[in-house]
Amino acid sequence: DVKVTQSSRYLVKRTGEKVFLECVQDMDHENMFWYRQDPGLGLRLIYFSYDVKMKEKGDIPEGYSVSREKKERFSLILESASTNQTSMYLCASSLLAEGVGELFFGEGSRLTVL
Amino acid sequence: AQSVAQPEDQVNVAEGNPLTVKCTYSVSGNPYLFWYVQYPNRGLQFLLKYITGDNLVKGSYGFEAEFNKSQTSFHLKKPSALVSDSALYFCAVRDVRAAGNKLTFGGGTRVLVKP
Repeated sequence: DVKVTQSSRYLVKRTGEKVFLECVQDMDHENMFWYRQDPGLGLRLIYFSYDVKMKEKGDIPEGYSVSREKKERFSLILESASTNQTSMYLCASSLLAEGVGELFFGEGSRLTVL
Repeated sequence: AQSVAQPEDQVNVAEGNPLTVKCTYSVSGNPYLFWYVQYPNRGLQFLLKYITGDNLVKGSYGFEAEFNKSQTSFHLKKPSALVSDSALYFCAVRDVRAAGNKLTFGGGTRVLVKP
């Protein structure tokens, strides 16, 4: 079965802390994505990556960075967490191929910044 | 730019009745369209997609969606709703000319199916 695993389901951090959210997929997918989900706003794309060491900004990259050192792992980094980054964070992956493959999502990481 | 609108925050329906969740989209070119479902405290699960061909697309769990190019809509339907269909539903679009697989999601519609 296809699997996207997010290392932490729930995190509580303090303002100014550095936060790492880890995501691993076992499907050998080229594409990986980080979204944040907020009520009424749906999912908004933070960053995505087409390949190892490649990254592209999404719609709301401010305050975030990413790292993709290995194909299966895509990390989201909050350099200095702020309360407006309290949210549900969803990682997803998909094939790069010319055809359109659906996204496979992890279970989500709910981050609270105090 | 691409965008998606889901005009209803919540849809209430009695079990056994038809269910419709509305979605309209905007893209510069032709669209790829998707529906996803999210159960409480879970990630999103793929339901169905429209790429090309037949305007009526059938997906998982008895759901289907109809692509209407003139109305730029892709409404999700189920002939007979179940209590277990209660969840959050997201419509998503991608412009066929866009690089990679970058989807834009709507705000979501909560479906409540009452026994």
